[in-house]
Amino acid sequence: EVQLVESGGGLVQPGRSLRLSCAASGFSFDNYAMNWVRQAPGKALEWVSGISWNSGNIDYADSVKGRFTVSRDNAKNSLYLQMNSLRTEDTALYYCAKDSSTTVTWIDYWGQGTLVTVSS
Amino acid sequence: EIVMTQSPATLSVSPGERATLSCRASQSVSSNLAWYQHKPGQAPRLLIYGASIRATGIPARFSGSGSGTEFTLTISSLQSEDFAVYYCQQYNNWPPATFGQGTKVEIQ
Repeated sequence: EVQLVESGGGLVQPGRSLRLSCAASGFSFDNYAMNWVRQAPGKALEWVSGISWNSGNIDYADSVKGRFTVSRDNAKNSLYLQMNSLRTEDTALYYCAKDSSTTVTWIDYWGQGTLVTVSS
Repeated sequence: EIVMTQSPATLSVSPGERATLSCRASQSVSSNLAWYQHKPGQAPRLLIYGASIRATGIPARFSGSGSGTEFTLTISSLQSEDFAVYYCQQYNNWPPATFGQGTKVEIQ
């Protein structure tokens, strides 16, 4: 059974940093691309970042480019999102999401999410 | 960036009736489109990929169609567990892999 468990969310002040983690199990983690998708309160899903199976292909939504960094450790079956210079508009539930392929295509499994609140 | 536009924003349907949800892309995404179901407090669930291919375990009452810029998700006979928000997502041109703004299917 595929399991994706996010952690690291919390309350943080604007301008500060936070690192999200996602522990994956139940599949061959190093064979698949991974994504971060967020949902702000009352808003739609927003794709944040994607990373290919070998970290060779990485990209970001314009809204987070230059502030967020995605990475993965295939030996630890883990995905990360380093979030710097956080803004109030980054407040959202952040989902770790498994892609169906080695590069970003469609998402076939999602975690339950971790809540990030940016507020002074 | 490709913009995905879903309509209607809210669809009121009675159980047992058919629901038809639309998704339009601002430029062609070929058949590189997925549909997801999202219920409050739960993780989203993949329904359809490749515009028309049902994901594993998805009931046959869910069907997807379309290509290019116009797509449709049809739920042939709504069950109580189908009331949720539905999102389309294109993955033809990324970044970003854009989502639509969602269609909420509610009980009439």
